[in-house]
Amino acid sequence: DQQVKQNSPSLSVQEGRISILNCDYTNSMFDYFLWYKKYPAEGPTFLISISSIKDKNEDGRFTVFLNKSAKHLSLHIVPSQPGDSAVYFCAASAKIIFGKGTRLHILP
Amino acid sequence: EAQVTQNPRYLITVTGKKLTVTCSQNMNHEYMSWYRQDPGLGLRQIYYSMNVEVTDKGDVPEGYKVSRKEKRNFPLILESPSPNQTSLYFCASRSYRGPAAGSPLHFGNGTRLTVT
Repeated sequence: DQQVKQNSPSLSVQEGRISILNCDYTNSMFDYFLWYKKYPAEGPTFLISISSIKDKNEDGRFTVFLNKSAKHLSLHIVPSQPGDSAVYFCAASAKIIFGKGTRLHILP
Repeated sequence: EAQVTQNPRYLITVTGKKLTVTCSQNMNHEYMSWYRQDPGLGLRQIYYSMNVEVTDKGDVPEGYKVSRKEKRNFPLILESPSPNQTSLYFCASRSYRGPAAGSPLHFGNGTRLTVT
């Protein structure tokens, strides 16, 4: 029973375009959502988060949107850069449950 | 430099030979946790610890033990490793100060374990 789902294991986006990574959750008690980025041979690193009392949080090229009624959040990266190629994990608190990850490929 | 340090980075062992993967953090974090990453399964929590002497099972605790005798250390113990424990392991920590629910995890660089 997966409470945090990332249904796209892989995504390819042209450099300079917008990358949209999606995440769905089932537990309405989650009150904080986080995105982590992982490069090969490294541990995941925190990217951006959003509280359940907000519907948008922006940090530079990264914006996270939260739709509580749909239990859905998305990470937008614009413009996408080659260094953004990584695996992105969506996570939800309080127990920090991870989705399976989405591998993003930025194409030159 | 604030960090989570795991050792070793790579480990190859044989079935049944006890091993310990160490994890240490220098950020005075209360919460520490172990995850394993497997293809197609993402990150799954093995055990976590809310503070010294307080540990609890995660989603996949079978075959693992942990201890939290000191705040900075959280070793993962495999008493009798089996091939299905071949995986990439991550230790992580976070603070409970401030908005606890929003405090992000800090991860180590991982330990790749192979059990033959």
